[in-house]
Amino acid sequence: NAGVIQTPRHKVTGKGQEATLWCEPISGHSAVFWYRQTIVQGLEFLTYFRNQAPIDDSGMPKERFSAQMPNQSHSTLKIQSTQPQDSAVYLCASSLDQGASAETLYFGSGTRLTVL
Amino acid sequence: SQLAEENSWALSVHEGESVTVNCSYKTSITALQWYRQKSGKGPAQLILIRSNEREKRNGRLRATLDTSSQSSSLSITATRCEDTAVYFCATDASGSWQLIFGSGTQLTVMP
Repeated sequence: NAGVIQTPRHKVTGKGQEATLWCEPISGHSAVFWYRQTIVQGLEFLTYFRNQAPIDDSGMPKERFSAQMPNQSHSTLKIQSTQPQDSAVYLCASSLDQGASAETLYFGSGTRLTVL
Repeated sequence: SQLAEENSWALSVHEGESVTVNCSYKTSITALQWYRQKSGKGPAQLILIRSNEREKRNGRLRATLDTSSQSSSLSITATRCEDTAVYFCATDASGSWQLIFGSGTQLTVMP
């Protein structure tokens, strides 16, 4: 099992460009999470899918950010018109989501986004 | 403000010594989790301790949970250089699936 796979590992965009980040969850996991990590804000929850359905996007900035999960094997996080403050490490995690009250999250290594 | 927060920004010890990272949290919880993040990697879970448990062990790691004081600790014995990492506590408020992370404690283990 390769774990959660995130691509690319590094992405550099110019201000105003679009960035798409990819995540392949662990096979058999039905929950997928996106987090953003910065030195100042730490690990921030962005959004959560369960069985491909969006459940909670309360952490997503309302403008420019969107996430999708078109099939059980991958999810994407898209940032339109990137701004320097979007620079961060974006982490994807998956879990079995067996309905237990506390789940172990398995994280990928993240995508480091740098907006110039 | 954070739902859970580690009590130290940074700790350093020498190899072979023991170290404890402390965490306090603000609401009733279903469980508390400890994660470790090494440079360039995502966080990896070390221990999940549920609200009805007081102690959990995993090899050289021992986590405690005190629901009355809303605090938890993670102790590492016989530390190794490879234990150098950022250690996070994370909680989900009762009835919520969301896992909220503290700011983390940077542990450095020196040779």
